[in-house]
Amino acid sequence: NAGVTQTPKFQVLKTGQSMTLQCAQDMNHEYMSWYRQDPGMGLRLIHYSVGAGITDQGEVPNGYNVSRSTTEDFPLRLLSAAPSQTSVYFCASSRAGRIYNEQFFGPGTRLTVL
Amino acid sequence: KNEVEQSPQNLTAQEGEFITINCSYSVGISALHWLQQHPGGGIVSLFMLSSGKKKHGRLIATINIQEKHSSLHITASHPRDSAVYICAVSRGTGNQFYFGTGTSLTVIP
Repeated sequence: NAGVTQTPKFQVLKTGQSMTLQCAQDMNHEYMSWYRQDPGMGLRLIHYSVGAGITDQGEVPNGYNVSRSTTEDFPLRLLSAAPSQTSVYFCASSRAGRIYNEQFFGPGTRLTVL
Repeated sequence: KNEVEQSPQNLTAQEGEFITINCSYSVGISALHWLQQHPGGGIVSLFMLSSGKKKHGRLIATINIQEKHSSLHITASHPRDSAVYICAVSRGTGNQFYFGTGTSLTVIP
C-alpha cells in the first residue's frame, strides 16, 4: 500500500496563476481532507469530503476548490494564487463513521506564491 | 481561542533526558491524538487514546478526561526524537479534528 500520496512535493507559482495539487489514497477511505500548515498555527482544514461526489468547506476554504469523483482521488485547485496561499499543504484520509479514527497524512506539498 | 493548547512551544533537551509535552483541550472529544512531524517531513500518528495510558517503546501518552489534559513523555531522549509533536483531538463521528500548534523538540547529543 502506498498510503496517501501527494504531488508535487514543491511548487513555485506567480500571483494569479492556477494549479492543482493532487492527492490519492489506496486504503479505500471514505473521508479525505486538505489542510494547510503555517508557522505558529495548527493545521487548518480547507475542504473535506465524506465520499465520492460529496465535498464541504472547512475553516479556510476561500481561494480553493475541490472535487471528489472517485474514492481514491481528492485534488485541490488554487483558482488564482495569492502570496497568502504560500504554505505547506497536507492531504489526509481516514475511515468515516468511526468514533476512534486515525488520520493518515500525505508527505505534503510546499507551495510558494511570488 | 484554540480548542487545543500545547506547551511548551519549543523544547531543547540533552540526550538521555526525560521529556514531557503537555496538551490541554476545551471541547468534548472522541479521542486524543499525538502526531510526529520530522523537519521537512510528513505527519505520522504516534498515539490515539481516549482514556488511561499507552506506551510504544520510549514514548508514553497519558490522558485525564476529567481535567481535559494529556501528556506525551519521551524517556531516554535521543537526537532522532528531534521533531515537531502535534496534539490533536477528534470529535463527533471521529473525522472532525482540531490541532494544536505543535511543540518543536530538539535533542542535543
